[in-house]
Amino acid sequence: KAGVTQTPRYLIKTRGQQVTLSCSPISGHRSVSWYQQTPGQGLQFLFEYFSETQRNKGNFPGRFSGRQFSNSRSEMNVSTLELGDSALYLCASSLKPGLMNTEAFFGQGTRLTVV
Amino acid sequence: AQTVTQSQPEMSVQEAETVTLSCTYDTSENNYYLFWYKQPPSRQMILVIRQEAYKQQNATENRFSVNFQKAAKSFSLKISDSQLGDTAMYFCAFMKPPELNTGKLIFGQGTTLQVKP
Repeated sequence: KAGVTQTPRYLIKTRGQQVTLSCSPISGHRSVSWYQQTPGQGLQFLFEYFSETQRNKGNFPGRFSGRQFSNSRSEMNVSTLELGDSALYLCASSLKPGLMNTEAFFGQGTRLTVV
Repeated sequence: AQTVTQSQPEMSVQEAETVTLSCTYDTSENNYYLFWYKQPPSRQMILVIRQEAYKQQNATENRFSVNFQKAAKSFSLKISDSQLGDTAMYFCAFMKPPELNTGKLIFGQGTTLQVKP
């Protein structure tokens, strides 16, 4: 069974540009969550999608957005990139949102560097 | 708001020995879930163990066990017979119960564990 796939693995962008990251969940999983990991702020929740609907959103500016497609694949977009957006972006998938008995599986992340 | 605190930024242990990682949290909820995740150099977060707050019994998974003290809001991870492959960053995480309709994990700052041969 294939795991959670995040593409690309590495990305270098210039300040002011926009970027789109992709996450393909485990087959059959319908919930996708996104997290930002930085040395200073640690792991912070960005948003959660289930059945193409955003269920929860973290405390990030509107430059951060996302969506989920009918096949459960999810994308997150960051517009007008800032140096502080440099981070590891992790995606997690689970069968259903927020249920204890559905373990969340993480991808290997996308390392975004903004220069 | 819920917070999770890991007070040990770095720890080391000799191979085959036992090590305990600390985690405390703050919440006003009575029911919730607690997790320990492992992040090796490959960066992929791997679930180590989880605990439901309403369960008195401490969770165990092979060499990994927790000491869950609900009143003290403490959730420590004990790794027995440490192996070189246990070298990783370990994160303690909190999640509200599903009836509150959120799948958001709140993570601690992490503890880097090095297992020495």
